[in-house]
Parts: sequence; structure tokens; C-alpha cells
Amino acid sequence: DIVMTQSPDSLAVSLGERATINCKSSQSVLYSSNNKNYLAWYQQRPGQPPKLLINWASTRESGVPDRFSGSGSGTDFTLTINSLQAEDVAVYYCQQYYGTPFTFGQGTMLEIK
Amino acid sequence: EVQVLESGGGLVQTGGSLRLSCAASGFTFGSYAMSWVRQAPGKGLEWVSTLDGRGGSTFHADSVKGRFTISRDISKNTLYLQMNSLRAEDTAVYYCAKGGSSQYSGLDYWGQGTLVTVSS
Repeated sequence: DIVMTQSPDSLAVSLGERATINCKSSQSVLYSSNNKNYLAWYQQRPGQPPKLLINWASTRESGVPDRFSGSGSGTDFTLTINSLQAEDVAVYYCQQYYGTPFTFGQGTMLEIK
Repeated sequence: EVQVLESGGGLVQTGGSLRLSCAASGFTFGSYAMSWVRQAPGKGLEWVSTLDGRGGSTFHADSVKGRFTISRDISKNTLYLQMNSLRAEDTAVYYCAKGGSSQYSGLDYWGQGTLVTVSS
């Protein structure tokens, strides 16, 4: 199984500042034949289902604000949230879909400082 | 508008069975992968099962293999999760989610979830 490890487990950032969440996979999720990273980022606000923010490691979903961006390749990935807003308070998860089981990271709780 | 709506959750005794349903609309149901993901109270997300859109292949987590079965009825635009031999550790909110054209994609639409409680 591919183990997904996020860091930190929680962080507090001031409004308007940048938040950075890391995700590391135990093996590469880069598929060499198409040069795509099989990794997604989700946001789960309190009491809500998860929402897909980023697909293929760096492709922002339609309607997602451009302050959200994904980067990285192979085994190391980053979700960056620029100019933090109050509505960004949530738990963020990475997930690999390179191979079954399609494992999630343990989640990173983002709060306002 | 894409929508997925789960139903069928509830309280069940240890060892019992339950069938979850997920009614889908707003997209060509048979062309997309569909998944079940669960979340135990206060915990993170756990992938449970996926059904590939095109060929109908199924995939299950080891924790549910042999006990849970994912299936679909294309004529009813409905996804199912048959859960047998339920254990206390299966207690969770179960989400239905739409994937891409194959099982190898992020999950772009999620339902609100249905709560399954397994108790002795």
C-alpha cells in the first residue's frame, strides 16, 4: 500500500498570510507513460463533505479560487493557500489514486491565528 | 447539475447487514467511476470501494474485502454498497463520490453522507 503522510498535522495562519501543507507518498505516484502525478487535494469544512480542490497534483478544479495551488512531483507534494481567508478554515487531505487502495493522508487542520 | 445522494444508513447490530444506495443525476452515470469513502467519528477519510465507469471493474479496501460489495444499476442511475458481517469499526459516515472516466482520478462530486452505526 502507498502510505500518504501529511505535515504538519495542524497549523494556524493569520488572515491574508500564506499556508503551506505538505504531502509525502511512500512511493512515486508519477505515471511515466503520461507524466502525470496521480494525486488530489481535498478541503473538508466542518460538518461538510470533502471538496476536490486540486487534481493531478496541480490542476485546479473549476470554481476553486486561484489562491489555492498544488505543486510537486513523484513523492513530494505541496498545497499552498495564498492570502488566507476565514472560509479556508478546514481540514485538508491529499489522496493518491495511482494504485489501490487509494489512500488518503491523515489530514491537516488549518486554523486562523 | 451533478448531484449524488446517499441513503440507507442507520443502526445495525454487530454481524448484521445493510445496503447503502447512492442516487446520481446530472451526468452520464455509466461513463464514470464511482466510489465509497468513509469517515469514522472524529477521524480522517478512508477509501472503501470503487467501481470503474467503463468496464464495471470493482476494487475494495482490504478492511472490507469479502464483506462489502459495490455495484450499480445503470438503468436507475444508482450505486450500491452491500455491507455484510458488520463490525463496530465499520461505524462511520459513508460518502458516495463521483470520479473520472476511469478509477484513476480524483473524486469531484460528493454526497452529504449517510451514517452507519454498528453496535452490539
